[in-house]
Amino acid sequence: GDSVTQMEGPVTLSEEAFLTINCTYTATGYPSLFWYVQYPGEGLQLLLKATKADDKGSNKGFEATYRKETTSFHLEKGSVQVSDSAVYFCALSDPYSGAGSYQLTFGKGTKLSVIP
Amino acid sequence: GAVVSQHPSWVICKSGTSVKIECRSLDFQATTMFWYRQFPKQSLMLMATSNEGSKATYEQGVEKDKFLINHASLTLSTLTVTSAHPEDSSFYICSARVDSTNQETQYFGPGTRLLVL
Repeated sequence: GDSVTQMEGPVTLSEEAFLTINCTYTATGYPSLFWYVQYPGEGLQLLLKATKADDKGSNKGFEATYRKETTSFHLEKGSVQVSDSAVYFCALSDPYSGAGSYQLTFGKGTKLSVIP
Repeated sequence: GAVVSQHPSWVICKSGTSVKIECRSLDFQATTMFWYRQFPKQSLMLMATSNEGSKATYEQGVEKDKFLINHASLTLSTLTVTSAHPEDSSFYICSARVDSTNQETQYFGPGTRLLVL
């Protein structure tokens, strides 16, 4: 079945540091890939997405490129801020998995803490 | 746009009682809603897929008689935890799929924290 593996946290960075959170996936077909962010005490918010190979999703300074050859969708940001502290989830939606309804498969989440 | 609300945001109940959680799409119609459970420091586990006007589809291992899901309208789905026990304590999250050409994006509610004593 489909699965998502992302680097385990927690990750602690100083403000303005470079961020990379690795994410790899296995899927039956050609999934769409997502990054969701969960701020403390809040629900998940879509951060960015990519629907086909070589697409780059970007939002709020975060970027991730859909790499089919390495089955990866690593999240990057050039300069993190304290306000970026949150849990980040990589996810995929595979319409060919047989599950239907565009179900999402999530990674376990990576907690990011940014210190001043 | 694409706001999903949940009510209540947190609830404490006694063992053996039932708890209803509401999930509403506030500014769009959602033919499909999803219910997840999130354990501390773990990922979201899909419990069931709820389609308006039809029975919910439950994931393997999820008891449909314990977690009753009703999707009565295009903007409301409810999850009822029946005869709740302490092991049902968790963070329950719903999401709604926007019924448009952008079908793959789900919008999530803020979650409901349930504590069963």
